[in-house]
Amino acid sequence: QVQLAESGGGVVQPGRSLRLSCASSGSTLSHYALHWVRQAPGKGLDWVAAISFDGSVKSYADSVRGRFTISRDNFRNTLSLLMNSLRPEDTAMYYCARDGSPYTSSRWDDWGRGTLVTVSS
Amino acid sequence: QSALTQPASVSGSPGQSITISCTGTTSDLGGYNYVSWYQQHPGKAPKLIIYNVNDRPSGVSNRFSGSKSGNTASLTISGLRAEDEADYYCNSYTTSDTLVFGGGTKLTVL
Repeated sequence: QVQLAESGGGVVQPGRSLRLSCASSGSTLSHYALHWVRQAPGKGLDWVAAISFDGSVKSYADSVRGRFTISRDNFRNTLSLLMNSLRPEDTAMYYCARDGSPYTSSRWDDWGRGTLVTVSS
Repeated sequence: QSALTQPASVSGSPGQSITISCTGTTSDLGGYNYVSWYQQHPGKAPKLIIYNVNDRPSGVSNRFSGSKSGNTASLTISGLRAEDEADYYCNSYTTSDTLVFGGGTKLTVL
């Protein structure tokens, strides 16, 4: 089992930017696609973005396309999410998840504990 | 990217079986076998319990099973236990190379 840990959350004003990171301890992520999933307080899961094992294929939910950018660094074994033009509706716990495949599938074997992002003035 | 449709809540008594449905379209759930189910206890991260419609990850109880017919997938939990009380989410790959979740179903063990 891969241990994932998110960081970078916090309180940010609307319109500002924030970068989230996800790191793996002890296991390489380089063979697998990775995802960001969010959950607003008291609400359901919401897929945000995904990136293939080598970073060549990226996909985004309509709600964040053009504002968020997913990236990975396989040398540092990390995943990132750059969030620009943040809106109050982006307030959520953000989870990173490891896909079971090199390219996007719905099988996500490992999840981090999440990092909370609050967008508020 | 409309969410898949799940019942908001289901309930059952210990030892009984329950089924949670998840309805999509031919552009997502009906067009692929990339359908998974996740269990989430309060304050915890989701946990994969079913993938590829009816496969179980290692370590997941065989009381959990999945199926699909047309645009509807189902999760069945047999021999209900108190620890099964949680939220359950389906998700599916889509024709847009994106993923979509269901709205979630709260399972109450009476």
